[in-house]
Amino acid sequence: ELKVEQNPLFLSMQEGKNYTIYCNYSTTSDRLYWYRQDPGKSLESLFVLLSNGAVKQEGRLMASLDTKARLSTLHITAAVHDLSATYFCAVDLNQGAQKLVFGQGTRLTINP
Amino acid sequence: NAGVTQTPKFRILKIGQSMTLQCTQDMNHNYMYWYRQDPGMGLKLIYYSVGAGITDKGEVPNGYNVSRSTTEDFPLRLELAAPSQTSVYFCASSLTNTEAFFGQGTRLTVV
Repeated sequence: ELKVEQNPLFLSMQEGKNYTIYCNYSTTSDRLYWYRQDPGKSLESLFVLLSNGAVKQEGRLMASLDTKARLSTLHITAAVHDLSATYFCAVDLNQGAQKLVFGQGTRLTINP
Repeated sequence: NAGVTQTPKFRILKIGQSMTLQCTQDMNHNYMYWYRQDPGMGLKLIYYSVGAGITDKGEVPNGYNVSRSTTEDFPLRLELAAPSQTSVYFCASSLTNTEAFFGQGTRLTVV
């Protein structure tokens, strides 16, 4: 059974600081997705990582995937308040259809 | 372009009642999914479909049924609602190897 663990689960940080969210998973997969969810809202796709060593960047967010270590990271650079949200990683079971197993989410609060 | 549309947005059911959550997408995606999200948790896959006429169970299918008669529609049926089915339900669709697009969710309370 594939397990996906994120840490930390809660993160409070100040604007301007850098931080990294980690996503570990238990079985082989080379497809990993990062989503953002605002309170009471749906999920918004951030990054699609489809191979070992994949790195994607969008604004102050950068995601990477190491399939050998079964680890993905979401790095936040010079955080701003607008990035406050819950961030989920999701790993594809690689069984044809995109059957995602989600982590518990990291609730990020960025304080002015 | 509407994307993935779910109805209703909110619903309160009594124990033992049944209901259907509707989901439609206009992106011509072959894959569709139903997830549930319990408070403070990630999403769990209930059922999925790889195309019209084909459905399969996900991680937590008990108490639910689905059908996929068209590419666009993927309704989720709850029979004999139970308090454990209180959750937020998300429908999603995707192509192969692309991100899934999620609907706005249906918040269901069973009392």
